[in-house]
Amino acid sequence: DAGVIQSPRHEVTEMGQEVTLRCKPISGHNSLFWYRQTMMRGLELLIYFNNNVPIDDSGMPEDRFSAKMPNASFSTLKIQPSEPRDSAVYFCASSDLGRPLEQFFGPGTRLTVL
Amino acid sequence: GNSVTQMEGPVTLSEEAFLTINCTYTATGYPSLFWYVQYPGEGLQLLLKATKADDKGSNKGFEATYRKETTSFHLEKGSVQVSDSAVYFCALSAQTGANNLFFGTGTRLTVIP
Repeated sequence: DAGVIQSPRHEVTEMGQEVTLRCKPISGHNSLFWYRQTMMRGLELLIYFNNNVPIDDSGMPEDRFSAKMPNASFSTLKIQPSEPRDSAVYFCASSDLGRPLEQFFGPGTRLTVL
Repeated sequence: GNSVTQMEGPVTLSEEAFLTINCTYTATGYPSLFWYVQYPGEGLQLLLKATKADDKGSNKGFEATYRKETTSFHLEKGSVQVSDSAVYFCALSAQTGANNLFFGTGTRLTVIP
């Protein structure tokens, strides 16, 4: 069974550029979560969706960050413009609302902003 | 509010040593509690969980008991292996209808041969 798929796995970009991270949740899952992990701040929830609808985006750091989920099988996290302090590993996770207690994480995207 | 506090690492143990990683929580209502593990270069994966007081979650030789009286969910393993080297996260899911998790800061474990 395919797990959560994230792309790209690594992204290196220059300050000011737009960055788009992609996530494909596990088929049949109807909740999707975006997290950011850094050494300084640990694991932070940025935003999550239930049935493609954003439920809580209070963790999104600022207006430079935006997330969309146009359908049940795809989500994007966009940073525009990117800054060096956005450098982190970004994880996507999905779960089944009928069994909400377990989240399945993707392998992450390591973002480096120079 | 909801929060999780876990012992700071890193923790370094010799193979076959006993492991304890402390975790305490603050929550409204009756949360479910989890331990997730992150191996190098990978995403987090669920290790074990407990959904009510006095429940014991167990998996791969790891155990944790949901203690409501001490608001704790400490992770233990009787004999660690080199392959257990990873970062361990304690988490809770509040019983408020929301399905998001609150994670601790993680504890890095290194097991040396």
